[in-house]
Amino acid sequence: NAGVTQTPKFQVLKTGQSMTLQCAQDMNHNSMYWYRQDPGMGLRLIYYSASEGTTDKGEVPNGYNVSRLNKREFSLRLESAAPSQTSVYFCASLQRLNSNQPQHFGDGTRLSIL
Amino acid sequence: DQQVKQNSPSLSVQEGRISILNCDYTNSMFDYFLWYKKYPAEGPTFLISISSIKDKNEDGRFTVFLNKSAKHLSLHIVPSQPGDSAVYFCAASEPGTYKYIFGTGTRLKVLA
Repeated sequence: NAGVTQTPKFQVLKTGQSMTLQCAQDMNHNSMYWYRQDPGMGLRLIYYSASEGTTDKGEVPNGYNVSRLNKREFSLRLESAAPSQTSVYFCASLQRLNSNQPQHFGDGTRLSIL
Repeated sequence: DQQVKQNSPSLSVQEGRISILNCDYTNSMFDYFLWYKKYPAEGPTFLISISSIKDKNEDGRFTVFLNKSAKHLSLHIVPSQPGDSAVYFCAASEPGTYKYIFGTGTRLKVLA
């Protein structure tokens, strides 16, 4: 029972490089999310996908793109990485039988941009 | 504009005592509130939630209280245990949006 799996767990990039963070869930959940966690800022929503085929911006979408590849997978892409994007990135999923359900989180990707 | 706020970055409590973590929100449309617990190098894990039609929800040592008029919720942990030491996030969502907004977190340290 893997739940939500994020790859890679760690990555170091140089400014200007591109990178795709991968997320997959095996719980047949409808909705998927990408958050970033920074000291003193909590978890901030970057993008989310309420259902397969749809994506929406969250609080901090600038500099990122997403793809909901299928029901299981939701990737986050940094086209030209900047030091301000150094963060811990969390993917989450939600069953969405009704609106009152908790999200399930992966263990995060720690990304450093030099 | 931060819609969900946790004004205490940290809290220390003696083992066996009550821990009270607070959260304020500004969006009156929020109808579902959650608390998550996060250990270092792990993802957040769901702890307890409450719907806006209730003012209290209990699960073992954990109780969440909701005061809609004050736009305030709190998490009570009784008795606190050293294993409760973690960062606690509150979160809220609006009906039908499937969008969850998190607070900045409170680091709880339970002293043995």
